[in-house]
Amino acid sequence: GIQVEQSPPDLILQEGANSTLRCNFSDSVNNLQWFHQNPWGQLINLFYIPSGTKQNGRLSATSVATERYSLLYISSSQTTDSGVYFCAVVGGNTGKLIFGQGTTLQVKP
Amino acid sequence: DADVTQTPRNRITKTGKRIMLECSQTKGHDRMYWYRQDPGLGLRLIYYSFDVKDINKGEISDGYSVSRQAQAKFSLSLESAIPNQTALYFCATSERQGVMETQYFGPGTRLLVL
Repeated sequence: GIQVEQSPPDLILQEGANSTLRCNFSDSVNNLQWFHQNPWGQLINLFYIPSGTKQNGRLSATSVATERYSLLYISSSQTTDSGVYFCAVVGGNTGKLIFGQGTTLQVKP
Repeated sequence: DADVTQTPRNRITKTGKRIMLECSQTKGHDRMYWYRQDPGLGLRLIYYSFDVKDINKGEISDGYSVSRQAQAKFSLSLESAIPNQTALYFCATSERQGVMETQYFGPGTRLLVL
């Protein structure tokens, strides 16, 4: 099955700093989503982005399907950005999301 | 998303007990999923259903069963709970439009099996 690898596994930032999170996947995908899991465990949809670039406020994402990777950019980080960021992909027609292990982000004030 | 609800939100049970986790959605999606998350790990798929008459095993279905009572309802049962089923459980829904499909997750149920 498809393998999803995220890097870095852990990241500590000072408030106001920028960061880039990476997601590599081992096969072509029809669907790629980025999620933020807040400290209370809630999963929040950030982007649906199998290809191209999207922006939403301080967050943006770029996926390059041909090279099998996606990047999530966080600019001017805030303490509320803390939590775990997951990349998840679907291959084929199954609809099943395969999750990476996540990047744990801590933003310090 | 408030459109996907899970009950209970937290549950403590004992080894050997039967327990049911319920999921309801108002999004009108045909596809529903159950995942579990263990500490420090991503989510893993337990079962999924593409419509009321379609139930499929995921990667970790042993020890679990499901029921799709209606388009809007998908329940997960642990017939005889064991401690290594302690985890955070998520329900999700999706609607496929061509090749596009976005999954929406409920708030999760924290289960502790003693």
